[in-house]
Amino acid sequence: EDKVVQSPLSLVVHEGDTVTLNCSYEVTNFRSLLWYKQEKKAPTFLFMLTSSGIEKKSGRLSSILDKKELFSILNITATQTGDSAVYLCAVNKGTSYGKLTFGQGTILTVHP
Amino acid sequence: DVKVTQSSRYLVKRTGEKVFLECVQDMDHENMFWYRQDPGLGLRLIYFSYDVKMKEKGDIPEGYSVSREKKERFSLILESASTNQTSMYLCASSFLSGDEQYFGPGTRLTVT
Repeated sequence: EDKVVQSPLSLVVHEGDTVTLNCSYEVTNFRSLLWYKQEKKAPTFLFMLTSSGIEKKSGRLSSILDKKELFSILNITATQTGDSAVYLCAVNKGTSYGKLTFGQGTILTVHP
Repeated sequence: DVKVTQSSRYLVKRTGEKVFLECVQDMDHENMFWYRQDPGLGLRLIYFSYDVKMKEKGDIPEGYSVSREKKERFSLILESASTNQTSMYLCASSFLSGDEQYFGPGTRLTVT
């Protein structure tokens, strides 16, 4: 059975800290891994990763994929209170119609 | 800018009622999806559709049905709502062979 597991499930930090969120997966026919950020509204797209070892970066956020060890990490440096959100990891198997399998999500809380 | 809208942000229904949740997208996407989101369980796929009048079951279709009569609109139907269907419902859409899904703001449904 396909599985996507995120850790930790929740995390509380202070502004300025650096955090690392983890996502491991076991799926057949892997095509891509996606990260989303969800505040109290629609999840918004952060990154899509398809190749191992190539870092994607956007401001203070970065992500990398390891297809051999079947995991991805999302790093956030110099965290701000606006980074508080649920971070979702999802895997696209490349089979029917772009279906995504999601992990449980990591709840990040950043205190001032 | 892609827009996915859902008919209600909050909905309260009684056990046994028939419930309709509507989703509309404006990007001419072929694929549309319905998820429910529960704490600790992440997003779970209920149904998806890859074309008008075409639908496929997701991971948790029991107690739900869907309708797609027009390309831009995808409806989720709870034939007889039960308390265990209290949840956040998220709609998403994507291109036929696309990876990234675009989400609506969600409908928080409470069944009493």
